[in-house]
Formats: sequence, structure tokens, C-alpha cells
Amino acid sequence: QSALTQPASVSGSPGQSITISCSGTSGDVGANKYVSWYQQYPGKAPKLMIYEVSERPSGVSNRFSGSKSGNTASLTISGLQTEDEADYYCSSYTTINTVVFGGGTKVTVL
Amino acid sequence: QVQLVESGGGVVQSGRSLRLSCAASGFSFSGHGMHWVRQAPGKGLEWVADIWANGFTTYYADSVKGRFTISRDNSRNTLYLQMDNLRVDDTAVYHCARDLSFGSGSDWGQGTLVTVSS
Repeated sequence: QSALTQPASVSGSPGQSITISCSGTSGDVGANKYVSWYQQYPGKAPKLMIYEVSERPSGVSNRFSGSKSGNTASLTISGLQTEDEADYYCSSYTTINTVVFGGGTKVTVL
Repeated sequence: QVQLVESGGGVVQSGRSLRLSCAASGFSFSGHGMHWVRQAPGKGLEWVADIWANGFTTYYADSVKGRFTISRDNSRNTLYLQMDNLRVDDTAVYHCARDLSFGSGSDWGQGTLVTVSS
């Protein structure tokens, strides 16, 4: 149950687009469509932003989008806003019915 | 609205036990799988365990298997995590989360802090 691999930090200017990668294996990310993305502010509970690779829960801005290719999933934030500055985590369901998270990516809006 | 409220955290010595609870409201608790996810101070999220809606199917992270037990009481709309033989590295904020779709947590509680001292 090794953690998924995310970059430690990603930054961008307001209005730009950024992409966060999430690298796994054929036993997790590459195995199914059950990849999720979460946003977390310091001291707060995580918030689901994307599920099933590219689905957005009700109320989540369409500036957030997800995709997957092989063993790597990606979260793209378009039209970056100051409020997007937070930590982002990916997760995946695995072939042994467990869940594995990525190490997290700190997004900084310059 | 969906509400998840964890309780039962505290300071405990290594080797001792603790039971966490998660009181759920605002949705059909018996119809959803539930997760426990923890976050050590200054660290990332770590999935701990989940339990399916039927209450009989459970899965655990290797780090807690054999020491932690997840359970639920659908009549009380409550999720539990029995933590035995606690270790210092179990120190974390423990969140419960409602499952939306095979491992995605659609709603989360604010968490309860567990501190294990040596």
C-alpha cells in the first residue's frame, strides 16, 4: 500500500491554469475509474472536488477538472484564483479493496 | 444537511486502547459505506479503514490491521473505530467520511485528535 506520488508544490498566477499529477500503479490508479481529488485548507476537513476520475460533485466549480492516462491521474485548475491556494490530495481505490492517498500538493497562487 | 461529528479522542499511553465514535445525521446512514481517515500533525491524509453499508464487509490499511476494528450501529446512526495496542505513530486527527463511490469521501467530519504518548 504505497502512497500515490504527487509533486510537493505547484504554483501559478491568478487566471492561469495549473495541473497536479498523481502517479500510481496498475494496482490502483491504472486499475479502475475510482480516482478522487480533495482540497484541504489548514485546520479544516478535506473537501471532495473530483470523483471517478472526472466527475464533479454538486457545488464544485467547473474550473476544476480531472483526467487519467494509464497509471497517472491529473487535476487541472483553470482560471486560478487566490481562494484556490490550499493543499490537494488524490486518492484511488485499489485492486485489494483498500484506498490509497497521495502525499499531497501545496498550491500557491503567486 | 449532512453532518458527521467525531468524538472519543484524547491522550493515551502507548499500548492502551481508545474507541472513536462518529455520529451521522442528515442522510440515510444505513445506505452508505463509511471510512476512517487520519492525518498526523503536519502530514498528509492516510486511509485507515472502511465498512460497507451492510456492516459486514470491512477493509483496513496494513498499518492498523489486527489492531483497529471498524464497526457501525445503523440503529444509532453511528460509526465506530476501536483502536487497540496504540502506538506513538497512531497520533493523528481522525476523520470519518461518507462514501460516495468506491473510496471517495463526499462528506467529512471535522475530526477528533488522538495523541499517543510513550
